[in-house]
Amino acid sequence: KQEVTQIPAALSVPEGENLVLNCSFTDSAIYNLQWFRQDPGKGLTSLLLIQSSQREQTSGRLNASLDKSSGRSTLYIAASQPGDSATYLCAVSTDSSYKLIFGSGTRLLVRP
Amino acid sequence: NAGVTQTPKFRILKIGQSMTLQCTQDMNHNYMYWYRQDPGMGLKLIYYSVGAGITDKGEVPNGYNVSRSTTEDFPLRLELAAPSQTSVYFCASSYKGAVYEQYFGPGTRLTVT
Repeated sequence: KQEVTQIPAALSVPEGENLVLNCSFTDSAIYNLQWFRQDPGKGLTSLLLIQSSQREQTSGRLNASLDKSSGRSTLYIAASQPGDSATYLCAVSTDSSYKLIFGSGTRLLVRP
Repeated sequence: NAGVTQTPKFRILKIGQSMTLQCTQDMNHNYMYWYRQDPGMGLKLIYYSVGAGITDKGEVPNGYNVSRSTTEDFPLRLELAAPSQTSVYFCASSYKGAVYEQYFGPGTRLTVT
């Protein structure tokens, strides 16, 4: 059974710092991996999607990498800002229904 | 495009009551999903549909039912509400294919007392 783990559960950094959020999954047979952002009391916003054949994706200050063989993905946030404060969730899809299996998230606080 | 819309935003139910959570998407997506999120946790899949007339169970389907009579709508029915169903419910949709991301609705916060 596929399991997704995100460590740490919470992270507090000063503004301007570069940071890395980690996601690991137990079964390397995935179709894709998505990173989401969730603000308190809100829905999920998709940040990046990496297909199983890709190694990384970039969007602005965000870069996500995927190492399928080791079951790991990282989300790199450059020059963090207070507006980046949110919970970040990673999720994988493991079959052609593309239903997602989620980690529990990392709650990020960027201090001014 | 409105994207994925959900109604209601909030609801309080008494134990044993029933209700339907509505979900509509206007992106002509084939695939639709219902997830629930308990406090401090990730999302868990309740039911999903790969097209009109086709539905299947996810990880936590007990106590719920779904139907998919049109491409746009995917309602979730709660029968005999229980306190364990207190959660935030999210509907999502996507095109078919690994290159396509899932789009999420704003959620319905349900409390069963």
